[in-house]
Amino acid sequence: EDQVTQSPEALRLQEGESSSLNCSYTVSGLRGLFWYRQDPGKGPEFLFTLYSAGEEKEKERLKATLTKKESFLHITAPKPEDSATYLCALFTGTASKLTFGTGTRLQVTL
Amino acid sequence: DVKVTQSSRYLVKRTGEKVFLECVQDMDHENMFWYRQDPGLGLRLIYFSYDVKMKEKGDIPEGYSVSREKKERFSLILESASTNQTSMYLCASSSSGQYGYTFGSGTRLTVV
Repeated sequence: EDQVTQSPEALRLQEGESSSLNCSYTVSGLRGLFWYRQDPGKGPEFLFTLYSAGEEKEKERLKATLTKKESFLHITAPKPEDSATYLCALFTGTASKLTFGTGTRLQVTL
Repeated sequence: DVKVTQSSRYLVKRTGEKVFLECVQDMDHENMFWYRQDPGLGLRLIYFSYDVKMKEKGDIPEGYSVSREKKERFSLILESASTNQTSMYLCASSSSGQYGYTFGSGTRLTVV
């Protein structure tokens, strides 16, 4: 059975304090890994897709990387507006379904 | 801008009522999904559909049904609402899993 685990569950950072969120997975055949951002009371918004080990994607202060066992979302010099829940999801080719992690709730304070 | 639109942001219903949650997408996607999201449990798949009039049970279909009469519209039905169905409901659509999902803004349903 495909499994995805995100850590930590919650993370509190000061503005400017860089850190990383982790998404580790056990799947039979990964065909895509997705990162989403979700603000309270809203639907998730797409951030990145990674398809193969070694791939990296960047957007503003965020950088996503992928290995054969895990993905990291690196946040460089975060700002309070980066506060959100970050979700990781996997696609293994089964009926277009994604398997989601439970998310990391990030809070960035001044 | 492509969109998935959920008809209500907030709903309050009474126990035993029949509840309809509507979702419309304008991207001509074949696949549509209904999830519920609860604190500590993440997103759980209720039902999905990969074509008009086709539906598949997800991980937690009990107490729910769905309808997809047109490609752009996917409805979630709570036949007899119960308090344990109080949750955030998210609709999503996709052309293919390898491209990920586009989500709606969610419906916060409270059953009293």
